[in-house]
Amino acid sequence: QKEVEQNSGPLSVPEGAIASLNCTYSDRVSQSFFWYRQYSGKSPELIMSIYSNGDKEDGRFTAQLNKASQYVSLLIRDSQPSDSATYLCAVPYNQGGKLIFGQGTELSVKP
Amino acid sequence: DTGVSQDPRHKITKRGQNVTFRCDPISEHNRLYWYRQTLGQGPEFLTYFQNEAQLEKSRLLSDRFSAERPKGSFSTLEIQRTEQGDSAMYLCASSTELNTEAFFGQGTRLTVV
Repeated sequence: QKEVEQNSGPLSVPEGAIASLNCTYSDRVSQSFFWYRQYSGKSPELIMSIYSNGDKEDGRFTAQLNKASQYVSLLIRDSQPSDSATYLCAVPYNQGGKLIFGQGTELSVKP
Repeated sequence: DTGVSQDPRHKITKRGQNVTFRCDPISEHNRLYWYRQTLGQGPEFLTYFQNEAQLEKSRLLSDRFSAERPKGSFSTLEIQRTEQGDSAMYLCASSTELNTEAFFGQGTRLTVV
């Protein structure tokens, strides 16, 4: 079992819709969870961090964490074509510094 | 404040040659990480430093790879006797010890021909 799993997509949504991106992880003691956005040919950009069960909202982005189910998601409201990118879920390994990444979900927002 | 800086941005080398990449972290960050990313995959951990100490090195990292951070500031990643399979984006990131939020540089794209 991979330590961090994401559906690779592509996930296609129309402009203005809600995009829902999902991630599961295997390390039950993980306390921090991160979402990165990566445009084609560019490096990952940190867009959300979440540490507690529940929802965390930042603008059009909402991260949701359920530690009991080992599940973290990212919702993007009012999706824009500029949101088209690959979204990477990352979890620190064994509470240490290194991050374990999922393979990323490619999102395409159609005008 | 500048972010994480990597140099060069692109490198094309012939198989068998040695290459060296440089990373300058965010100035107040004492942790520095190297990752490698191939097409369609998430970044894969290679190694990380806390100040000048190399705290962890991936089992996937062969003896041809070496990294240094001699004064706890910038870091270098050297690949000796490059192989075509080394072609990838090499990413550097930094964070503080207390907060594992890591910020990435622009990456160095290596092509081995």
